[in-house]
Amino acid sequence: QKEVEQNSGPLSVPEGAIASLNCTYSDRGSQSFFWYRQYSGKSPELIMSIYSNGDKEDGRFTAQLNKASQYVSLLIRDSQPSDSATYLCAVLYNTDKLIFGTGTRLQVFP
Amino acid sequence: KAGVTQTPRYLIKTRGQQVTLSCSPISGHRSVSWYQQTPGQGLQFLFEYFSETQRNKGNFPGRFSGRQFSNSRSEMNVSTLELGDSALYLCASSPQVSGRGYSEQFFGPGTRLTVL
Repeated sequence: QKEVEQNSGPLSVPEGAIASLNCTYSDRGSQSFFWYRQYSGKSPELIMSIYSNGDKEDGRFTAQLNKASQYVSLLIRDSQPSDSATYLCAVLYNTDKLIFGTGTRLQVFP
Repeated sequence: KAGVTQTPRYLIKTRGQQVTLSCSPISGHRSVSWYQQTPGQGLQFLFEYFSETQRNKGNFPGRFSGRQFSNSRSEMNVSTLELGDSALYLCASSPQVSGRGYSEQFFGPGTRLTVL
């Protein structure tokens, strides 16, 4: 089992819809979780961090964490074509190593 | 505030050569981490430096090494280059060392290394 798993996609959604990106992780002791967005040819950009069970909202983005199920997700409301990118889930393992998933490619079509 | 800078942005080397990449973190950030990104493997952690000391290391061979200077700037060195070392090398800075369970990292633009 990979340490951090994501569906590679592509996930295609129409403009204005909700995009739901999912991530599972294997280390039960992980406490810190992050979502990064990476446009083609660019470096990853931090968009959300979440540390407690439940939801955390920031504008059109909502991160959801369920530690019992070892599951973290990112919802993007009112998706825009400019949201088209690869979304990377990252988990801090053993409090000392940030492990990334391979990313989910999101395509938002007009 | 200026972001993370990396030099050079592009590099072409041949097998057997060595290469040194440089990273300047965001002002005030003391932790610098290095990652290798390839299409097949994604982002893989190389190592993290904090206060001139290597704090964590990923599963890479000893050909990959690094160091950090007193001004928090960091360099990464790869010796005896192999074709498989072709990748985007990213550096990320953070205010704190990851061992405190907090690791909001900010990435630089990367160095694209091609090994021929």
